[in-house]
Amino acid sequence: NAGVTQTPKFRILKIGQSMTLQCAQDMNHNYMYWYRQDPGMGLKLIYYSVGAGITDKGEVPNGYNVSRSTTEDFPLRLELAAPSQTSVYFCASSYQGPNYGYTFGSGTRLTVV
Amino acid sequence: DAKTTQPNSMESNEEEPVHLPCNHSTISGTDYIHWYRQLPSQGPEYVIHGLTSNVNNRMASLAIAEDRKSSTLILHRATLRDAAVYYCILRDEGGGADGLTFGKGTHLIIQP
Repeated sequence: NAGVTQTPKFRILKIGQSMTLQCAQDMNHNYMYWYRQDPGMGLKLIYYSVGAGITDKGEVPNGYNVSRSTTEDFPLRLELAAPSQTSVYFCASSYQGPNYGYTFGSGTRLTVV
Repeated sequence: DAKTTQPNSMESNEEEPVHLPCNHSTISGTDYIHWYRQLPSQGPEYVIHGLTSNVNNRMASLAIAEDRKSSTLILHRATLRDAAVYYCILRDEGGGADGLTFGKGTHLIIQP
């Protein structure tokens, strides 16, 4: 099993550009999450989903959008990129919440210039 | 969810046991204690979690104080690969679907 796969691993965006960070899991997990991590800080939750067609905002959703059309995929869309969105983005999945453990992807390092 | 307090950093020697403390004096009766670690340039990985009783798995042991106001993650024999940031997180059993809250954690340094 591949677990949680994130693409791309690195990306440089210009201010105002848009992009989609891809996240896919092959563990048939219901719950999926997007976090961002700024240098030296903990992780902050952007969006989460408890199943296909259901998404909800986390702590820092502004400037981002998500969709969950299948159980496997949970893409994160950045519209009008800003320097404040420079960060490392992690996708995670869980069978059914924290007590089942989270599996994280290896991250996407995004720089907005 | 209740707040946790961890030391910013700790240092230990290779092949020795490591005890990583976590204080959570405002823990509620239904808060689970979760531990994750993050190796350099990687996403966090699950280590262990528990409610009241001590827990063991292949990675580590979790010792929970009788009053549950503190807990300790024990790595029985540290290797260089255990150098990472360790996060102690509380999560209510019925806390809903939103994700775990990761603080700054403890940066564990392993000396050869």
